[in-house]
Amino acid sequence: QVKLLQSGAALVKPGDSVKMSCKASGYTFTDYIIHWVKQSHGKSLEWIGYINPYSGGTNYNEKFKSKATLTVDKSSSTAYMEFSRLTSEDSAIYYCARFGGNGSPFAYWGQGTLVTVSS
Amino acid sequence: DIQMTQSPPSLSASLGDKVTITCQASQNINKYIAWYQQKPGKAPRLLIRYTSTLESGTPSRFSGSGSGRDYSFSISNVESEDIASYYCLQYVNLPNTFGAGTKLELK
Repeated sequence: QVKLLQSGAALVKPGDSVKMSCKASGYTFTDYIIHWVKQSHGKSLEWIGYINPYSGGTNYNEKFKSKATLTVDKSSSTAYMEFSRLTSEDSAIYYCARFGGNGSPFAYWGQGTLVTVSS
Repeated sequence: DIQMTQSPPSLSASLGDKVTITCQASQNINKYIAWYQQKPGKAPRLLIRYTSTLESGTPSRFSGSGSGRDYSFSISNVESEDIASYYCLQYVNLPNTFGAGTKLELK
């Protein structure tokens, strides 16, 4: 079955960068775009952007364009998101997600990576 | 960006009640709205897509309706397992945008 397994929690200092991963299994990795979503503590969800694992093409939410960098490693079926110049506003849970085969939006989710920015 | 105005922010219900959540888009989203359930410490779970299509495994007590800019999501006969937060999502345009969420609690 489809699984998206994300890397563990990270504690990082303001100004640093963090790179998190999302390992896909149970399907052909290059067949589906991987999306990333941010959820600040107790708040709603924000779409960060997506990457097409087949082509490497990306599309970012303008709000995160200078903050997030999406990449993939096709050999390991893993997507990555690097978040740079971290501030306390970036403390959040970050999810990777993909659509279902019938076009269902964000039908599959990773378990989330908690990022805490603190000195 | 399309703004999704979701209400109410919180809802208190008794077991067996019917509850309704609404989302209004800032422009016509042509029925491309989905609804998610999220329990504490878990990722969101897709319940309904394209306004009213139930995902596999979604109980029939969940339903959705609407068109244009105005949409609603209902749970008839609320059960204890339905206590969670609920979010709408428009996926007609990028950036996809979510509503602010509705927290359903037991009265």
